[in-house]
Parts: sequence; structure tokens; C-alpha cells
Amino acid sequence: AQSVTQPDIHITVSEGASLELRCNYSYGATPYLFWYVQSPGQGLQLLLKYFSGDTLVQGIKGFEAEFKRSQSSFNLRKPSVHWSDAAEYFCAVGARAGSYQLTFGKGTKLSVIP
Amino acid sequence: GAVVSQHPSWVICKSGTSVKIECRSLDFQATTMFWYRQFPKQSLMLMATSNEGSKATYEQGVEKDKFLINHASLTLSTLTVTSAHPEDSSFYICSARDGAGGVVETQYFGPGTRLLVL
Repeated sequence: AQSVTQPDIHITVSEGASLELRCNYSYGATPYLFWYVQSPGQGLQLLLKYFSGDTLVQGIKGFEAEFKRSQSSFNLRKPSVHWSDAAEYFCAVGARAGSYQLTFGKGTKLSVIP
Repeated sequence: GAVVSQHPSWVICKSGTSVKIECRSLDFQATTMFWYRQFPKQSLMLMATSNEGSKATYEQGVEKDKFLINHASLTLSTLTVTSAHPEDSSFYICSARDGAGGVVETQYFGPGTRLLVL
């Protein structure tokens, strides 16, 4: 069965600082990988996704993530955080067949200090 | 493109009543829709997968008679919480997968419906 681990429950960074949110997955083959962001009381917005090819993927809002097969990781990064980035971030792994069901990590809450 | 809407966004109801939540794909045909439940400060838990024109597939532990799902068209799925009780209070989120030539691997999420049962 597929699973996702986000080791950090809560991260606080200063505005302008760099950010890295960790994500490790378990899947029998190369999975589809996603990062979503959720603002309080809102649905999920897709930041970026990895299906195949270049292991460094660019997303919206200046985010990027790198797929590392050897480490089973898909960490999310941003070079300079803005106060508006404060939100909950979810990593998800998707099956490559069938219904393409997603399995989510528990999320990492990001707080930004002005 | 790829917009999913949910209605209502908020609902408060009395214990014992039934509540229907609609999920619509506005600009694409969704052959598959998913219903998730999210408790405060927790992740999304998949409740069921619904394919247009067929019965929904429920995850283990989800009562199919409690959470009725109907996916009658390629743009609409409904979740009915029957005889709601306070423990059903939660944030319900739907997502839709574009199965008509779009990026089938990507799910697009609705804004969620917050249910409070008194």
C-alpha cells in the first residue's frame, strides 16, 4: 500500500528566508507525486506534480520540488518565503493505474514571521 | 480551467436530519470523483471513489448507508449524509479527475463544505 510521511508537523520561518518541507513516500514503483497547499477553511490548490522526466519540477508561486528515487523523497522548496505562504502543505502520492487514488501525508503547517 | 465547485460551503443542521452536498466540475467532464473528509488539523481521508454511472467504492470503515454517493452525470456528484449526528461534523472535500482527454492523473479539488451537526 502506498503511504506518505511528512516528518514536520509545524515549521516557522522568517519572511524572506528559504524553505524546505520534507516528504517521504512508500510505493511499489515510481509514483505520481503532488504537493498541495490549503489555506484555512479552504480546499486544496495544486502547487506542482511529478509524473516522469526531469526530477526537479517547478510549480506555481515560486515553489519547486525534487524527486529523489534513492531517498524516496519529494521535498518542496522555495528560496524566499512570503507572508502569504503561511498555510498547510500536503504531499500526496498517486497510483499510476486504476482510479489514480491519492494518499495524503498528515500535512505541515507553515507559519511565517514578518 | 479545471474548476471544481461545491455547494453549500457551510451547513448547520439538527441531529437526525440529512444533508446533501453537491460537487460539480465546471469546465471538464469528471469520470471519477472522490470524496474526502478532513478533521481539524488533520489530513484528508478518502471516503469513497465514485465513477459516473456506477456505484461508489467506499473505503474501509466508511458506512455506505450513512454516506450516500450519487454520480449521475459527468459533471455532478452528490454526497448525502443521512441521519446526521454531531460526530459527522467535519470538513468534506470533493475532487474530480478529468477523464476526457485532460491530465487524467491530476485531481482538482473543490473548496470544501463545512458541516456542523447540532
